[in-house]
Amino acid sequence: SQKIEQNSEALNIQEGKTATLTCNYTNYSPAYLQWYRQDPGRGPVFLLLIRENEKEKRKERLKVTFDTTLKQSLFHITASQPADSATYLCASRNYGGSQGNLIFGKGTKLSVKP
Amino acid sequence: NAGVTQTPKFQVLKTGQSMTLQCAQDMNHNSMYWYRQDPGMGLRLIYYSASEGTTDKGEVPNGYNVSRLNKREFSLRLESAAPSQTSVYFCASSESLQTGTSAGEQYFGPGTRLTVT
Repeated sequence: SQKIEQNSEALNIQEGKTATLTCNYTNYSPAYLQWYRQDPGRGPVFLLLIRENEKEKRKERLKVTFDTTLKQSLFHITASQPADSATYLCASRNYGGSQGNLIFGKGTKLSVKP
Repeated sequence: NAGVTQTPKFQVLKTGQSMTLQCAQDMNHNSMYWYRQDPGMGLRLIYYSASEGTTDKGEVPNGYNVSRLNKREFSLRLESAAPSQTSVYFCASSESLQTGTSAGEQYFGPGTRLTVT
């Protein structure tokens, strides 16, 4: 069955460092991967999308890569700040369902210490 | 633009009681979704509606029913609540992929925290 996994439940880093979060997928080849941010007590918020023909995508301090050989997407936050502390989810299309359906990873909780 | 709104924000039910969670979006999206989020389980799709007038089961539909009332509104009903339905429920919406401009990025509401005792 299609699986999307975020290997780390939690990541702790120091302010100013680059945070790198990993998303791996198995048993399918998604056309794109999406990344969301979720703060405690709130719904996820869409951040970035990368398509399979794009190696890298950037938005301000965020960078996402997509390696179809490794079946992996990396999400980077450069010059991290305490305000970046949140849970980050990756998601991809669920080919078993409607075209818009997504399957989500369980998330990685990022803590940025001052 | 309010985006996606959900009511209520919190609810406590006794086992066997029923209730309806309401969701509305003002982004003119065709597709709407209901998820539940549990610790260690991530977001799981309960039901979705690809367009007005259609609904389909997701990964965990048992114990729930939905109604796509119109393009804006999508409700989730628990007919006989069980403690296993204690969870945080999120509604989301997206453009359909047929528009050609969307890759299905979803916009979420603030959630409903439901406790069933």
